[in-house]
Amino acid sequence: SAVISQKPSRDICQRGTSLTIQCQVDSQVTMMFWYRQQPGQSLTLIATANQGSEATYESGFVIDKFPISRPNLTFSTLTVSNMSPEDSSIYLCSVEEGQGTEAFFGQGTRLTVV
Amino acid sequence: GENVEQHPSTLSVQEGDSAVIKCTYSDSASNYFPWYKQELGKRPQLIIDIRSNVGEKKDQRIAVTLNKTAKHFSLHITETQPEDSAVYFCAACCSAGKSTFGDGTTLTVKP
Repeated sequence: SAVISQKPSRDICQRGTSLTIQCQVDSQVTMMFWYRQQPGQSLTLIATANQGSEATYESGFVIDKFPISRPNLTFSTLTVSNMSPEDSSIYLCSVEEGQGTEAFFGQGTRLTVV
Repeated sequence: GENVEQHPSTLSVQEGDSAVIKCTYSDSASNYFPWYKQELGKRPQLIIDIRSNVGEKKDQRIAVTLNKTAKHFSLHITETQPEDSAVYFCAACCSAGKSTFGDGTTLTVKP
C-alpha cells in the first residue's frame, strides 16, 4: 500500500496570495489526483496530475488558478493562486497504483483564506 | 463519462441496527467498486471493494453486493456500533482511467 505525505496540513492565507501544497508518495505510482472537499461533503476532482506533461483538469477548474506539477512518479504539487475566501476548503491528493485498484489519500490540507 | 449516484445522503440508525447505502453507476464498462470510510478530520480509507465478476463480498460486519445488470451496488453494515459513524463514499472505476466517487453518506449510529 502507498504511504502519502501531504503538507502543509493546514494554513491560513491572505486573499490574493498563493499557496503550494506538496504530495510525496513512498513508491512510484501511475496516477495522482487532486481533490477539493468541504468538511463532511463530497470529493470534487480538480485534476489528474500527469507525469512529464500538463495536468488534465475537470470542468470548472483551470490551470491558471490551480497549476499542478508532477516532475516524477512519486511527487506532485498543487498551487492555489490568487486566493479568495471561496477557496477555503480541504485539498487532498490521491494516488492509485493502477486501474481498478484502491485509492490512497493524503491527510489533506485545510486552507482558510482571510 | 461515468456518473455515480449515492443514497441516502444522511442515515441515522440505532446501535445494533443495520445500515444500507446504495449507489448506481452509468458506465457498463466500470469493473471495480470500492467503498471508503472517512472519519471526522481524517482521510478516506478503503473498507471493502468488489469486482464485476463477483456478486457479493463480506468482511465481518460489512458486505457489498453488486448487480451488474441494474448497474447498482450496495454497502451493508450489520450490528452497527458508534464507531461506525462516519461519511461513506462509494466509487466506480475505471472510465477514463480513474475512479468516480459518489457524493457520500453521513452515517450516525446512536448509542
